[in-house]
Amino acid sequence: EAQVTQNPRYLITVTGKKLTVTCSQNMNHEYMSWYRQDPGLGLRQIYYSMNVEVTDKGDVPEGYKVSRKEKRNFPLILESPSPNQTSLYFCASATTDTYGYTFGSGTRLTVV
Amino acid sequence: RKEVEQDPGPFNVPEGATVAFNCTYSNSASQSFFWYRQDCRKEPKLLMSVYSSGNEDGRFTAQLNRASQYISLLIRDSKLSDSATYLCVVREGKLIFGQGTELSVKP
Repeated sequence: EAQVTQNPRYLITVTGKKLTVTCSQNMNHEYMSWYRQDPGLGLRQIYYSMNVEVTDKGDVPEGYKVSRKEKRNFPLILESPSPNQTSLYFCASATTDTYGYTFGSGTRLTVV
Repeated sequence: RKEVEQDPGPFNVPEGATVAFNCTYSNSASQSFFWYRQDCRKEPKLLMSVYSSGNEDGRFTAQLNRASQYISLLIRDSKLSDSATYLCVVREGKLIFGQGTELSVKP
């Protein structure tokens, strides 16, 4: 089944403890992206990648890192999480810039 | 001005009603247009792409007016299962999402 897989689905962590949210797609898509969704603010792009080893900042990149060493994986790294990074995170992928993205099921992160 | 603006919600309609959502975008160079559906606390799912000539998929019709920078979605004979948030999405290299319009279809 074609899909985008994120893990974990739920995570509660403490301020400052490094964490990684994994994202993997099995559709051989070039484009991958991370979004966060907050009430009243909608979906906002954190980082995106147009292909292996090519990444760029989205609208809200502060406090996040990404890497794209393989085409299928696009992990999101929070080196020192803070409470304002409590949010619902989505990974997404697409084949070309004329198609919409397929989203993962989301990761609900709480930083206390 | 927001890059993608949608009708404020929520829309509360009875089953069988026809409901229309509108969306405007600010960048005339936008390349592609989509409507996504998002159920509560779940991932957005592509409902349909929007083409310049307009397109239909069953009870759903999407229209694009590039001159006015306006996109619409029409849902006919609405069902209870249509209750969700509908997101207008514009692609300018990256995807830009509207805030979404909540639809609640009541029996």
